[in-house]
Amino acid sequence: RKEVEQDPGPFNVPEGATVAFNCTYSNSASQSFFWYRQDCRKEPKLLMSVYSSGNEDGRFTAQLNRASQYISLLIRDSKLSDSATYLCVVNKKGMRFGAGTRLTVKP
Amino acid sequence: DAGVTQSPTHLIKTRGQQVTLRCSPKSGHDTVSWYQQALGQGPQFIFQYYEEEERQRGNFPDRFSGHQFPNYSSELNVNALLLGDSALYLCASSLDPGAGGGEQYFGPGTRLTVT
Repeated sequence: RKEVEQDPGPFNVPEGATVAFNCTYSNSASQSFFWYRQDCRKEPKLLMSVYSSGNEDGRFTAQLNRASQYISLLIRDSKLSDSATYLCVVNKKGMRFGAGTRLTVKP
Repeated sequence: DAGVTQSPTHLIKTRGQQVTLRCSPKSGHDTVSWYQQALGQGPQFIFQYYEEEERQRGNFPDRFSGHQFPNYSSELNVNALLLGDSALYLCASSLDPGAGGGEQYFGPGTRLTVT
């Protein structure tokens, strides 16, 4: 079993849609959690950290369920500029990345 | 404020050769992590350096080694290159590894092609 598993995607949605990404992780002792986005041929960039209480940053909402070892990312009112690959990241003695879910937002 | 820098940007090597990749962390950061990203995959953790020592290591063979210098910059060395080592090698810097890992900032990567 992979340490971090994500929806395989790709997701193709119209502008303004709401899209949700899911992620599960295998190591219950994982300490911190993040969502990164990666544009084509670019380096990953931190989108947001994920906290147990849930957290929101504008149109983006992240949730963590430690009991289920599950992380989610919700994007509301999606924009063309949201098109990217979204990477779920879990930190336990090193950052472990999922394979990423590709999102394409279309006009 | 200088971000994470890596050199070279691209590199072509032959099977069996050795390669050294370099990374300078973001100003104020003291921890450097290295990742390998194959096409269509997420980055895979190679190892992390803090206080000039390898602090954590992922599931990579001993052909992959590294070093961190007193100024916090770092090198990744790969010996006996295989075709499968062709990938984007990413360096990331952060602060405060003792707290379970802070936010990491990535450099633009070095694209290595092994022929």
